[in-house]
Amino acid sequence: AQTVTQSQPEMSVQEAETVTLSCTYDTSESDYYLFWYKQPPSRQMILVIRQEAYKQQNATENRFSVNFQKAAKSFSLKISDSQLGDAAMYFCAYRPSPNFGNEKLTFGTGTRLTIIP
Amino acid sequence: EPEVTQTPSHQVTQMGQEVILRCVPISNHLYFYWYRQILGQKVEFLVSFYNNEISEKSEIFDDQFSVERPDGSNFTLKIRSTKLEDSAMYFCASGNRGSNQPQHFGDGTRLSIL
Repeated sequence: AQTVTQSQPEMSVQEAETVTLSCTYDTSESDYYLFWYKQPPSRQMILVIRQEAYKQQNATENRFSVNFQKAAKSFSLKISDSQLGDAAMYFCAYRPSPNFGNEKLTFGTGTRLTIIP
Repeated sequence: EPEVTQTPSHQVTQMGQEVILRCVPISNHLYFYWYRQILGQKVEFLVSFYNNEISEKSEIFDDQFSVERPDGSNFTLKIRSTKLEDSAMYFCASGNRGSNQPQHFGDGTRLSIL
């Protein structure tokens, strides 16, 4: 079974600075997808960024980028120029390839990010 | 942008009662999911649904739970004889197969069992 581990329960960063959230995962599959979801206090689940395992290039979405190390099974999220609105719980999630059946998401335990004004 | 809608946003129920949580997935999506998040814990997969049947369910999804797509638009989660430990946030999600098709989540239903 796949597992996702987020070893940082809490992180904090000064506004406008850069922060990196860590995520590691375990899988025997070679094709899969990885996601970062943001959950603000309102408790919505908002997709931040996604990465296909077959792509070597790291995904970027504006101030958000990932460092995907397939061999190390590591998928960290970098937030540049942190803003107060970035304060939230961040969940890393794994999804198998469609070729392997159901596409359920497996989530990590989350990292609570605090932005210091 | 189309979104997944869930009702109610908050449901309070007495232990032992039945509860139905409702979801309207995005209209062209074919895969539907329920996830659960107990307060302060991670989001856990409950069940996936495709082509009018369950495609996978987790250990959590026991005989107490059932899902249904009664009318082609709604997707419901029924919990029979609720227990205190069923108190959680329940998220509905929908999506389509494929690498560029992320699951879209609703805003969740907070279920409180008294």
